[in-house]
This record gives sequence, C-alpha cells and structure tokens, in this order.
Amino acid sequence: DQQVKQNSPSLSVQEGRISILNCDYTNSMFDYFLWYKKYPAEGPTFLISISSIKDKNEDGRFTVFLNKSAKHLSLHIVPSQPGDSAVYFCAVYNAGNMLTFGGGTRLMVKP
Amino acid sequence: NAGVTQTPKFRILKIGQSMTLQCAQDMNHNYMYWYRQDPGMGLKLIYYSVGAGITDKGEVPNGYNVSRSTTEDFPLRLELAAPSQTSVYFCASSGSGSGLEQYFGPGTRLTVT
Repeated sequence: DQQVKQNSPSLSVQEGRISILNCDYTNSMFDYFLWYKKYPAEGPTFLISISSIKDKNEDGRFTVFLNKSAKHLSLHIVPSQPGDSAVYFCAVYNAGNMLTFGGGTRLMVKP
Repeated sequence: NAGVTQTPKFRILKIGQSMTLQCAQDMNHNYMYWYRQDPGMGLKLIYYSVGAGITDKGEVPNGYNVSRSTTEDFPLRLELAAPSQTSVYFCASSGSGSGLEQYFGPGTRLTVT
C-alpha cells in the first residue's frame, strides 16, 4: 500500500522548457512535503519543501504546488537546465520525523 | 564540515556473513536514520534514532540492528546476510523539530551473493 506515488518513472524535456514532476499521496493528515534530488552514486539532496498550510512555495527556478483536496503535489522547474537531469523524489513526513518517499521520477533535460 | 559520512562505499558479502555499516554526522543532529534503496524504487526506512540511546524500527527493520551510543554515530548491523539485503544503504540526519530536511550520506552499495 503505497502512501506516496510518483506515477511517471521518467520525463524528458528540452533545455529551457518547463519540467513538471507529479506526486500523489493518500493520507490527508500529512502536513509537510519535501522534494529531493538524487544524482547517480550520491545521496539525495534536499531541494524544496512545503507545509500543508500553504499551496505554493518558490525558490529560484523551483516551485512546489500543493493541492490538498486532490492530495497532489507537483514540482515545476523553469527553465530546465541539463544539470537538472537527476532522479527526483517526493517525500512526506509521516508520524513524527519519519519520511515516506515516492518511487522517484528520472528527469532528463536535453540540450 | 563533512556532513554525513558513510563507510564503506562498496561491499560484497557472502550469504550468512555479518557486517556493520558505519555512519557519522558532525552537525550535532539529534535525529538519525537508515534507509535502503532497491533498484527503481524509493527509499525505505529501516531504523531511526531520536537521540543517543534511543532507537526505533522503521518500515523494513527485519534482518538489521542499530545502536546509538553517541550523538555522532549510528551504525547499522547486518546479521546473517541474505540476497534480499542487496541494496544501496543511506544514512541521514536532521535536527529536532517537525518538517525539517534530512541530510543524506553518499551511500553504501552492498551486494550479498
């Protein structure tokens, strides 16, 4: 029973265009959501987060949107750059300080 | 400032062998975590600790043990290794408080044959 799902295993976009990565969750009690980026042979690194009291959080080229009624989270990257090519994980805090991760989406940004 | 360090980077074990994966952090974080990542999957929590002397099970604890004698170190012990434990293991740490980001180490790639 997956509590956090990323239904697209991969996404390919052209450099300069928008990348949209999606994440769905099942529990309306989740209250803090994070996105992590992971390069091969490295640990995940934190990218951006959002609290359930907000519906949008922006940090430079990265914006996270939260739709609580749909239990849906999305990450927008504008403009996309080749260095953004990585695996992106959404994660939610569940029962205190335990993170539950989605399966990841591999983003490929073509020059 | 090294952040979260893990040793070894790679290890091959035979079925039934044991080993300890080392994890250390220098950020004075109270919370520490062990995850495993199987190919094409997300990270799953094995064990976590909210402070020295306190540990608790995560989603997939079977076959593993942990201890937390200091704030800095959080070793993960594999007893009687099995092929199902072939995975990449990540250690992470975070400060106290809700919703804080976790900082990850570079991972240990373990193969059990």
